[in-house]
Amino acid sequence: DIQMTQSPSILSASVGDRVTITCRASQNINTWLAWYQQKPGKAPKLLIYKASTLESGVPSRFSGSGSGTEFTLTISSLQPDDFATYYCQHYTTSSITFGQGTRLEIK
Amino acid sequence: EVQLVESGGDLVKPGGSLRLSCAASGFSFSGVWMDWVRQAPGRGLEWVGRIRNGGTTEYAAPVKDRFIISRDDLRNTLFLQMNSLKPEDTAVYYCTTVASYGFPSPIDYWGQGTLATVSS
Repeated sequence: DIQMTQSPSILSASVGDRVTITCRASQNINTWLAWYQQKPGKAPKLLIYKASTLESGVPSRFSGSGSGTEFTLTISSLQPDDFATYYCQHYTTSSITFGQGTRLEIK
Repeated sequence: EVQLVESGGDLVKPGGSLRLSCAASGFSFSGVWMDWVRQAPGRGLEWVGRIRNGGTTEYAAPVKDRFIISRDDLRNTLFLQMNSLKPEDTAVYYCTTVASYGFPSPIDYWGQGTLATVSS
């Protein structure tokens, strides 16, 4: 089974900062990777799919990159609404695997 | 507007059973693949399983042979039958849709979740 590992687990940052979260796959997954944002008590929200395609309605300060086994989610200038937990997800036609999550907190 | 409304979460004893439902609206339910995803309290997201249009299913290893996913396309409803429940099955269970971005596609829409608690 493919394992997805995110780093860091917790990230402290300030409004206006540029931040990057990394997700590594245990084997080549091409670009079948999505990123989600989850706020406490709420369902996750799709941000990016196919590693770098922005979901409709998602602000352009979010971007994704990578292929194969290493991927990144970048927020170019943190806004107050961005403090949340972020998950990467590898998806196939028959299964889904999530990373363990990265909590982005206010410094 | 896509709406997914889960129900059926409850407190059940280990070894017991529970059936979750998800009422879907705002899209052509019969043509969409549907997944269940769960989240234990304070923990991360865990995929539970999938049902495709047509009814074929896939399950994660921890629930295979205990959980059954089904759908009623006439009533636009998704189900999760959970048997032989264990305390580690305690979680919020989310009903989700798989996007129509080609094959494969990620999950796009999520319900608000329903809490299933397994405890004696």
